[in-house]
Amino acid sequence: DQQVKQNSPSLSVQEGRISILNCDYTNSMFDYFLWYKKYPAEGPTFLISISSIKDKNEDGRFTVFLNKSAKHLSLHIVPSQPGDSAVYFCAAAGRRGGSNYKLTFGKGTLLTVNP
Amino acid sequence: NAGVMQNPRHLVRRRGQEARLRCSPMKGHSHVYWYRQLPEEGLKFMVYLQKENIIDESGMPKERFSAEFPKEGPSILRIQQVVRGDSAAYFCASSPTGYGNTEAFFGQGTRLTVV
Repeated sequence: DQQVKQNSPSLSVQEGRISILNCDYTNSMFDYFLWYKKYPAEGPTFLISISSIKDKNEDGRFTVFLNKSAKHLSLHIVPSQPGDSAVYFCAAAGRRGGSNYKLTFGKGTLLTVNP
Repeated sequence: NAGVMQNPRHLVRRRGQEARLRCSPMKGHSHVYWYRQLPEEGLKFMVYLQKENIIDESGMPKERFSAEFPKEGPSILRIQQVVRGDSAAYFCASSPTGYGNTEAFFGQGTRLTVV
């Protein structure tokens, strides 16, 4: 069973517009969420994270929103740039259970930003 | 300051052979994590090791798979008697402590193909 779901396998946006990537989770023990970016033939690179005590975290062009009641989070990229084209993975961890090191990943969303 | 180094980048093995995947963590990092990414899937946690200790191997198949992180040298993920279903990308990550997932840096991965 998929505990972290990214229902959109791909997303295409125009340069300069907003990219919104979505992620849903089912495990109520998750209290820490992360987004990773991955280029082909490379390892994932950490982008931004959010703790369950917050509903928003911003870092430059990247903002993550968390809706705990809906068990939903989203990553907003504004403005989108061609270099943002990559696979984006949503990941979650349950820190209260003492296994904060164990990340559960979604299947990823391929973002393509067109010039 | 080199990042997490994994080798080989690509590994081809015939069914029944052994596969050895190596991971050298970042300098100063004593915590290593192995993840596996099957085709069209997200990364899945396999094992968490500190120097000379296996902390959590709950994600590792019970048979044929083993991992170690000796006092000297890289961490090794060993797969005995490989089967086609072992074909995947194997990623290693390292962190200076065991807490705070944002501290974990991923290597470029080893792509194992079993023919």
